[in-house]
Amino acid sequence: SQTIHQWPATLVQPVGSPLSLECTVEGTSNPNLYWYRQAAGRGLQLLFYSVGIGQISSEVPQNLSASRPQDRQFILSSKKLLLSDSGFYLCAWGEGMNTEAFFGQGTRLTVV
Amino acid sequence: KNEVEQSPQNLTAQEGEFITINCSYSVGISALHWLQQHPGGGIVSLFMLSSGKKKHGRLIATINIQEKHSSLHITASHPRDSAVYICAVRFNNDMRFGAGTRLTVKP
Repeated sequence: SQTIHQWPATLVQPVGSPLSLECTVEGTSNPNLYWYRQAAGRGLQLLFYSVGIGQISSEVPQNLSASRPQDRQFILSSKKLLLSDSGFYLCAWGEGMNTEAFFGQGTRLTVV
Repeated sequence: KNEVEQSPQNLTAQEGEFITINCSYSVGISALHWLQQHPGGGIVSLFMLSSGKKKHGRLIATINIQEKHSSLHITASHPRDSAVYICAVRFNNDMRFGAGTRLTVKP
């Protein structure tokens, strides 16, 4: 069966520090992978998606970047965090447009 | 304007009541998801719909593709149903989310 792992679950980081959130998927090959952010009181917003290794599409300009070094690994990074980067980050995957979507447990990031 | 609009934003019900949450969207979609987000933040997919109606236990989801509208119903609501319910639509390689409906079921 397919599973998705996302870590860490919570993170408190100072302004200006780097960030690395990792998401891995098991039990499938060549999944579409997604990073979403949910700011306080707002809906989920797509940040990045990837349809294959090394293929990253960005939806909004921001202080973040994503990488897909392996087929089932998706990493969200920042070189210098801003206060506005605080929020709930969610990784998700799906096999295609008309298939089920699966979500990680999320990472609650607080930038102080 | 958000491509996905949910209503109501907040909903308080007494245990046992029938609950309806609505979702309207403005883009052509390949599928619609109803998601449940608990206070810890984790999200669980409840339904994926591309047409018609699905039922799972006390939960029922319907979609009208022509009217670009979906509803999530909860029968005989229970305090453990308290959560944020999110409608999400899939089109192209993307998924767009509604802002969510915060449901509180009181005993």
